[in-house]
Amino acid sequence: GQQLNQSPQSMFIQEGEDVSMNCTSSSIFNTWLWYKQDPGEGPVLLIALYKAGELTSNGRLTAQFGITRKDSFLNISASIPSDVGIYFCAGQIRGGADGLTFGKGTHLIIQP
Amino acid sequence: DAGVIQSPRHEVTEMGQEVTLRCKPISGHDYLFWYRQTMMRGLELLIYFNNNVPIDDSGMPEDRFSAKMPNASFSTLKIQPSEPRDSAVYFCASSLGRRARSKSEETQYFGPGTRLLVL
Repeated sequence: GQQLNQSPQSMFIQEGEDVSMNCTSSSIFNTWLWYKQDPGEGPVLLIALYKAGELTSNGRLTAQFGITRKDSFLNISASIPSDVGIYFCAGQIRGGADGLTFGKGTHLIIQP
Repeated sequence: DAGVIQSPRHEVTEMGQEVTLRCKPISGHDYLFWYRQTMMRGLELLIYFNNNVPIDDSGMPEDRFSAKMPNASFSTLKIQPSEPRDSAVYFCASSLGRRARSKSEETQYFGPGTRLLVL
């Protein structure tokens, strides 16, 4: 089946720093999504990308859908303590009526 | 809206016992998904339903796992008999799917998960 390679696995940063993480795939996905998971909770959608080349922002978060449809990145600017958590990329082939294929996650730890 | 509701939140059982996990999707959503999360394999899709009908169960690990959706507001995931390697967090998610009027309405909303430990 499809696999998403997400990197880095973990990041230890100082508050206020910018963060960048990415996902690559050997297969094409027609929708890319970024989720965040807090301890003891389910993943929550941060940003959804529907077109190749699309660049979308949500507050301090910016994500891009790669032109080849095989990759995506997520940037977080000026990190704050509540950004701590696990960030997952996910892809869909057929859009909304389709299960999600997830990356293994990036664990973000922020030192004050 | 209460969001996706899962029960129980935690389950500890012994190997060989039957386990039933429950999910109530968001009202009006006609797609329901079951995922499993482990340290080794991450988040994996197990099965999903559209209008109570299973569409893709290729992610179900083996015959010990079964899922049903008897009506639009309830689904179960059953493991019988359970084994220690089934220990994981099981998530249910729902979405409008193709009934969505826009792409943004196709979002999958996740429940809080059921943490299963099989001893």
